[in-house]
Amino acid sequence: NAGVMQNPRHLVRRRGQEARLRCSPMKGHSHVYWYRQLPEEGLKFMVYLQKENIIDESGMPKERFSAEFPKEGPSILRIQQVVRGDSAAYFCASSINGGMLAFFGQGTRLTVV
Amino acid sequence: AQRVTQPEKLLSVFKGAPVELKCNYSYSGSPELFWYVQYSRQRLQLLLRHISRESIKGFTADLNKGETSFHLKKPFAQEEDSAMYYCALAEGGNAGNMLTFGGGTRLMVKP
Repeated sequence: NAGVMQNPRHLVRRRGQEARLRCSPMKGHSHVYWYRQLPEEGLKFMVYLQKENIIDESGMPKERFSAEFPKEGPSILRIQQVVRGDSAAYFCASSINGGMLAFFGQGTRLTVV
Repeated sequence: AQRVTQPEKLLSVFKGAPVELKCNYSYSGSPELFWYVQYSRQRLQLLLRHISRESIKGFTADLNKGETSFHLKKPFAQEEDSAMYYCALAEGGNAGNMLTFGGGTRLMVKP
């Protein structure tokens, strides 16, 4: 089991472009969580998804950000029309179910230039 | 709303010295507290959780509800302990999945 896999590890986008961050959970895990870490800050919860459902998106910015976790394939965090303030490390975690501990991926570092 | 505070961004100690990484929290309910560690170029990983009351790699942490603290301690620091340490809180019973993290403390253990 390779653990939670995130790609790309580093992503550079120009202002106004779209960023797509992928997260493949650990085998057998159907729950995915996205966190964002801004420079010099701790990780902040963004969204919690179960296969095909958004369970909690209380930490997601209201505009430009969306997340999905389809029946097949990885979870995608999508940021439209990126701005400099979106530059951050985005971490994904997965768990077997909502009551079990989650394991983290290595993160995607997004840089908006 | 819950909040986790790690007052020190950087803690530098010599090998063999005691270490205490501070963590304070605010939460109205019954929280579950965790310490996560991130070694250089590695993923964030769970170090310990308060309900386990265990010692991992020589580290311990005791939940003090009176002081709303969950400080991480180790009596004798080792160079391989150098890493970023994050204190995190989850609502009781949630098993730590929607976590609130502190800002992190970078521990540097000098030879």
